[in-house]
Amino acid sequence: DTEVTQTPKHLVMGMTNKKSLKCEQHMGHRAMYWYKQKAKKPPELMFVYSYEKLSINESVPSRFSPECPNSSLLNLHLHALQPEDSALYLCASSQGGLAVRYNEQFFGPGTRLTVL
Amino acid sequence: GNSVTQMEGPVTLSEEAFLTINCTYTATGYPSLFWYVQYPGEGLQLLLKATKADDKGSNKGFEATYRKETTSFHLEKGSVQVSDSAVYFCALRRANFGNEKLTFGTGTRLTIIP
Repeated sequence: DTEVTQTPKHLVMGMTNKKSLKCEQHMGHRAMYWYKQKAKKPPELMFVYSYEKLSINESVPSRFSPECPNSSLLNLHLHALQPEDSALYLCASSQGGLAVRYNEQFFGPGTRLTVL
Repeated sequence: GNSVTQMEGPVTLSEEAFLTINCTYTATGYPSLFWYVQYPGEGLQLLLKATKADDKGSNKGFEATYRKETTSFHLEKGSVQVSDSAVYFCALRRANFGNEKLTFGTGTRLTIIP
């Protein structure tokens, strides 16, 4: 299984709602990532988890709260978002570790989020 | 810091034409280099990669060679198909650090017309 899955595929939420995005992989990867991608732009890194611990937070606003309950799952909790947060949210995973061969990231299909 | 510059799109070619998408990079040390492809409405897929100078990555008829002397990783394909229409991202990642972020170029939108 070389797949990263993400749910839901689409999400529409109001600015006062609380919702969560879910990402799952069963490749035994120990590094997982959240990216945000605006239209016609490259993905921007938000968070990195390594061995279930948060290792990188790219100065993301606190209305985005990541969680890694186990090595296969990664969640992104959303609260009090703004319309400018509307984007495609991509999850990725990689094997982890220090060697070059572990560098490849596998991406999920993304969740398209619209904030009204 | 690290950066990737790739040719501005959009690029429109006829089927069976030769494709080149230019990519140059700035990085300290010896980064790994990648080409990712994003089809409409989908996430990113790794197309090919190279981890050291003079390595050639290849996949699905696409090729790119890691040129340290020119700090380039240009993507080429000899004969494109309509199904190659997508956005292509060049990216780098520092070698020997397992979880550092990918630095992406701005992406090049490719459209192939029959």
